[in-house]
Parts: sequence; structure tokens; C-alpha cells
Amino acid sequence: DQQVKQNSPSLSVQEGRISILNCDYTNSMFDYFLWYKKYPAEGPTFLISISSIKDKNEDGRFTVFLNKSAKHLSLHIVPSQPGDSAVYFCAASEGSNYQLIWGAGTKLIIKP
Amino acid sequence: EPEVTQTPSHQVTQMGQEVILRCVPISNHLYFYWYRQILGQKVEFLVSFYNNEISEKSEIFDDQFSVERPDGSNFTLKIRSTKLEDSAMYFCASRGTSGRREQYFGPGTRLTVT
Repeated sequence: DQQVKQNSPSLSVQEGRISILNCDYTNSMFDYFLWYKKYPAEGPTFLISISSIKDKNEDGRFTVFLNKSAKHLSLHIVPSQPGDSAVYFCAASEGSNYQLIWGAGTKLIIKP
Repeated sequence: EPEVTQTPSHQVTQMGQEVILRCVPISNHLYFYWYRQILGQKVEFLVSFYNNEISEKSEIFDDQFSVERPDGSNFTLKIRSTKLEDSAMYFCASRGTSGRREQYFGPGTRLTVT
């Protein structure tokens, strides 16, 4: 039962351009969404989050957009930098169930 | 900046042996979690812990697993009798007040069961 889906296993983007990572979910009870970045042999690092009462949240080069009607969120990274190369995970939580439900991840490769 | 720490970074054990994975959450955090990631698969929730008791656990977290906060700083995951399929990266995470849901993760312990 894949409640959180990241359909692109990998994405390659030129340095300086915009990276757009997508995530879809099926559980309409999810009310909080998070993006994490993970380097090999390290734990996930929190990037940015959004509550379901918002449709956009911005933090520096990172912006998350939430489209509740489509059950879709996206992470925009502008401009992309070589250090952004990592696996990006979308995660969601539902109300008092604060466990995070994870997508499979998208490997982002920033080309110089 | 405060961070979650985990020890050991890599644990090799034989099938049937008990292992204890240790975590030191961020000091003023109140909620603690264990997740695991089998190689090539998704990160999976195991258990959450709040106010000295388990608040939620997944189907993975069966009778072979237990958690404990033995003192004011450590949070441990014990696997009583390890199986080959327990081989995975185990991540500890902690979270602050209930208003924010960001969980902060440690670097993980790679458990290899032979």
C-alpha cells in the first residue's frame, strides 16, 4: 500500500537551473508533509515542511508547493548546486499519528 | 547545532543473538522514534515513544523488538533474537514540541546479521 509515491527514481539537472521533485499521496487524512535529503551512509536531513492549510512554503532556495485537490506536492530548488546531489524523500503524517510515511526517494544529480 | 547521535555505526551479529542499538536524541526533545531502511527499499516506521511509553508501533515491531529510555538521555532499540531479514540501516529520530512535526534523524546504525 503505497500511500506516498515518488515516481521518478532519478533526476538529472544542470547546475544553476531549477530542480523540481514530485510526490503524490493517496491518503486524504495526511495533513503535514516534509522533504528530507539523504546522502549515502548518513541519516535523512530535514529540509522543509508544509501544513495542509497552506499551499506554499519557502525557505531560501527551497520551495514546497502543495496541491491538495490533486494530492500532489513538489519541491523546487533554485538555483541547483552541486551539493544538492542526494536522494530526496517526501514524507507525510496524519493528525495524531506522528509517524512519517515515506516515499521511495528520488536521486537528484546536479551536472556541472 | 544539536544533533541526534547513534552508536555503533555498524554492528555485525550472528542470527539468534541479541543486539542493542543506542541513540542519544536532541536534549529538549520529547518524542522519539526508530525507523529502518532495508537496502534498496523505503524507510519504514518501527515505533514511536513519548512520556516513557510506546505511543505507536508498526507491524514490523513484533515481540522481538523493545525500546527503552533507561535514563534522561539514551533511547535504545533491542532486538532479542536477530534474524537475517533484520539486516538494515536503523535510524533514530527525535522531535520537539507537538506543534512542530519535523523529526531529526541520527546517522544510523548499519546492522548486519550473518
